Amino acid sequence: SYVLTQPPSVSVAPGQTARITCGGNNIGSKSVHWYQQKPGQAPVLVVYDDSDRPSGIPERFSGSNSGNTATLTISRVEAGDEADYYCQVWDSSSDHAVFGGGTQLTVL
Amino acid sequence: QVQLQESGPGLVKPSQTLSLTCTVSGGSISSGSYYWSWIRQPAGKGLEWIGRIYTSGSTNYNPSLKSRVTISVDTSKNQFSLKLSSVTAADTAVYYCARWSALLLYAFDIWGQGTMVTVSS
Repeated sequence: SYVLTQPPSVSVAPGQTARITCGGNNIGSKSVHWYQQKPGQAPVLVVYDDSDRPSGIPERFSGSNSGNTATLTISRVEAGDEADYYCQVWDSSSDHAVFGGGTQLTVL
Repeated sequence: QVQLQESGPGLVKPSQTLSLTCTVSGGSISSGSYYWSWIRQPAGKGLEWIGRIYTSGSTNYNPSLKSRVTISVDTSKNQFSLKLSSVTAADTAVYYCARWSALLLYAFDIWGQGTMVTVSS
C-alpha cells in the first residue's frame, strides 16, 4: 500500500519559516491535503489539493507538491502554530485514504 | 454550518463489538458531494483511516481492518455508524467521524470532536 513519510519533528523560531515535508512515491501525481492538530483537539484542514486554503486559514499557510515530495510551508511562524501536522492523500490503486505519520512543529 | 458529533460507549470489553454513531447537523447527509468517514487515533500516535460510506450505501474500508469493520448510514436520522468487531486493546483510541469532500478533492473538511474508546475488561 501507499506510504507517506514525514519527519517526526521540526523546530523553528517565531517569525521564521517552517517547512514540513511529506514524501511518497510519485506524490506529485496526487492531491495532497494537510491537517493541523493541537493537543486534545480534532484535526483541522489547513491546505487541500496541494496548495489551496479553506476559508479562514491564514495566507501564512501554503503548500507545494512535485516529484516525490510535498511541502507545507508556514511563514512568519507564531507560537499558536505549534501543533502536529499530517499530510494525507487518496490512494486510488487501493481505494483508501492514507495519512503520513505526522510532524510535531515546535516554536522555539 | 455543518457539525458532526460522535456518540457511543466509552468502554468496550475485549472480543466484543465497538459501536459508534455520528450525527450530522446543520446539513443533509444525503448531499451528493460528500462521503462520510471514520478515522481513529491511538494515544500519542498518528491518524488511521478506517473507512467511508456514501449515502447510497457504497463503502470502502482500510484493508488492515476490513474483516472487522462495518459502516452504515441512516439518512432518515442524518446519521452514520461504525461497528468494529472482535476488539482488542490495540483498538483503544480516539475515534473521529469526518466529512470527506469531493469538492475539495477528497480532503476531510469537517471533523467531529472525537470520542475516546477504551478496550478493557
